[in-house]
Amino acid sequence: ETGVTQTPRHLVMGMTNKKSLKCEQHLGHNAMYWYKQSAKKPLELMFVYSLEERVENNSVPSRFSPECPNSSHLFLHLHTLQPEDSALYLCASSHPRDRATGELFFGEGSRLTVL
Amino acid sequence: AQSVSQHNHHVILSEAASLELGCNYSYGGTVNLFWYVQYPGQHLQLLLKYFSGDPLVKGIKGFEAEFIKSKFSFNLRKPSVQWSDTAEYFCGAEGSYIPTFGRGTSLIVHP
Repeated sequence: ETGVTQTPRHLVMGMTNKKSLKCEQHLGHNAMYWYKQSAKKPLELMFVYSLEERVENNSVPSRFSPECPNSSHLFLHLHTLQPEDSALYLCASSHPRDRATGELFFGEGSRLTVL
Repeated sequence: AQSVSQHNHHVILSEAASLELGCNYSYGGTVNLFWYVQYPGQHLQLLLKYFSGDPLVKGIKGFEAEFIKSKFSFNLRKPSVQWSDTAEYFCGAEGSYIPTFGRGTSLIVHP
């Protein structure tokens, strides 16, 4: 248990569906992140939220839409995805300090399969 | 833009063998460096980190890493691996609050 919970753990969706991934942390952290983990590729940073404000959008297609309603919750809304979007989506949180991100605490991930 | 390269994608060792995993980063400014480990079926967790000071950093479970600024490297080492070290290892670099990772190295240790 890391204190970062992701739901659902597994998701299968068609290319025309709309679904959402949810991340929740109760560690008192004020920064949250979405990463994409694909085989044979670097762990890709998608979005960073600090104090509920998006501070990084790493050239992610608009079919991925993040939402951070408060410092404990982070969503990734998905619509009209492509099969190449199939991957493990990881959420992380941290408490930034002294010009550093601080240790990242990761959830166990949501395994997404797009048919 | 910062980036991280891990040279060894798959490593297979026998127990008690020594381990060194290569990591190079590219970033123009002050950078923080770290290694994360992902055991089978588990979440990513911090193994060790370098922010400043002694370039030789010691982490959990007997792992250590050395920051060599002139080579932009932060290689991970362990003198004698165990079967329980079987996992995926990710090197990361952070500048300006943006943590970037490499593609990971899969380590399999045979008993």
